[in-house]
Amino acid sequence: DGGITQSPKYLFRKEGQNVTLSCEQNLNHDAMYWYRQDPGQGLRLIYYSQIVNDFQKGDIAEGYSVSREKKESFPLTVTSAQKNPTAFYLCASSFRQEDEKLFFGSGTQLSVL
Amino acid sequence: GDSVTQMEGPVTLSEEAFLTINCTYTATGYPSLFWYVQYPGEGLQLLLKATKADDKGSNKGFEATYRKETTSFHLEKGSVQVSDSAVYFCALSGSAGNMLTFGGGTRLMVKP
Repeated sequence: DGGITQSPKYLFRKEGQNVTLSCEQNLNHDAMYWYRQDPGQGLRLIYYSQIVNDFQKGDIAEGYSVSREKKESFPLTVTSAQKNPTAFYLCASSFRQEDEKLFFGSGTQLSVL
Repeated sequence: GDSVTQMEGPVTLSEEAFLTINCTYTATGYPSLFWYVQYPGEGLQLLLKATKADDKGSNKGFEATYRKETTSFHLEKGSVQVSDSAVYFCALSGSAGNMLTFGGGTRLMVKP
């Protein structure tokens, strides 16, 4: 079945530690996105990528980094510079950036120990 | 910049009740409007969309009409079921390179 897979489902970070969230899609989509979801708030865009080896900052990129070495994969690293990392992280993809329908993964809940 | 405002939840209804979740937006130009739904422990799924004024999006008994004069896109369903319990997000695709702008989400709880 085609879809987007995020892992792990739950992740814990210690102070000063970098952690990486995985996002893989087999939909042959060009565009991929990372959103952060906080309770009672809408989704906020962290980073997005339109094609392999290219990505742009979203609204809240500080403290995060990404890579897009393969079309299928768009991992997100939450660095120690992100002082408030506890949130639900959602990865999404679309066929093209102009395609308004997004397909979402099931998310990763990141918590700080 | 673009923004979306939704009514705060939770909205608690009995089964077969009528549902309205309000959504208003601010955007330049002529955005497309969307409702996404998030079931517990899952990502978001597109529920319905409308791309121009007076368009009605519909799916699974849910409807929303693009009202340009009131900048609104309220979600309605005539008879909710327990299985409709989820968080509903209103969103728009506007001027910023078709990036989606989401509202804060409204949690719906339907009791049997």
